[in-house]
Amino acid sequence: QQQVKQSPQSLIVQKGGISIINCAYENTAFDYFPWYQQFPGKGPALLIAIRPDVSEKKEGRFTISFNKSAKQFSLHIMDSQPGDSATYFCAASRRNTDKLIFGTGTRLQVFP
Amino acid sequence: DAGVIQSPRHEVTEMGQEVTLRCKPISGHDYLFWYRQTMMRGLELLIYFNNNVPIDDSGMPEDRFSAKMPNASFSTLKIQPSEPRDSAVYFCASTTRGVRQGAWSYGYTFGSGTRLTVV
Repeated sequence: QQQVKQSPQSLIVQKGGISIINCAYENTAFDYFPWYQQFPGKGPALLIAIRPDVSEKKEGRFTISFNKSAKQFSLHIMDSQPGDSATYFCAASRRNTDKLIFGTGTRLQVFP
Repeated sequence: DAGVIQSPRHEVTEMGQEVTLRCKPISGHDYLFWYRQTMMRGLELLIYFNNNVPIDDSGMPEDRFSAKMPNASFSTLKIQPSEPRDSAVYFCASTTRGVRQGAWSYGYTFGSGTRLTVV
């Protein structure tokens, strides 16, 4: 119930393509769903987040799509760039707790 | 702000030795988290504090691990005795749920991590 399942483990995309990373959860009490981006040698950094009362949130080239009935959410990176090459983590938490449960991560490589 | 500061950046120690990892959270942040990252298990929450008080330590692997937060600007994670399977990158993160950020729309600020190798 506490797990967040993330796929794929790794993703290779050509420059200009769309990168899609998927996550699924079981706990219906989760109400906050952020995505974190991690570059080698650095800690994860918040990229974008969504709450379940909206189905989509867009910030620049990054979009979260949220499907409450399916208990799934995904990150779409439009016009992927080599600088987007990093590891991406989805996460979830409940409003009345403060701990984030992270997915296992997706290593994205964008080739020119 | 200098962000979350962790030390040391790298630590190599022999099995059986005591290891102490240090963290200075962002000033004003009232939550502090310790995570461990490995290839096999990803990011695991070990323990977190709110206002210097441990709230949830259910992720601490075993009694060899202990964490303290003696004041709002400093926390330690200690492993005694260390074992090779403790080798990982240990991250500290801090955050706050201030009114300005809203009840839910907060983010964690992570430090750069400590890479621990136990040989």
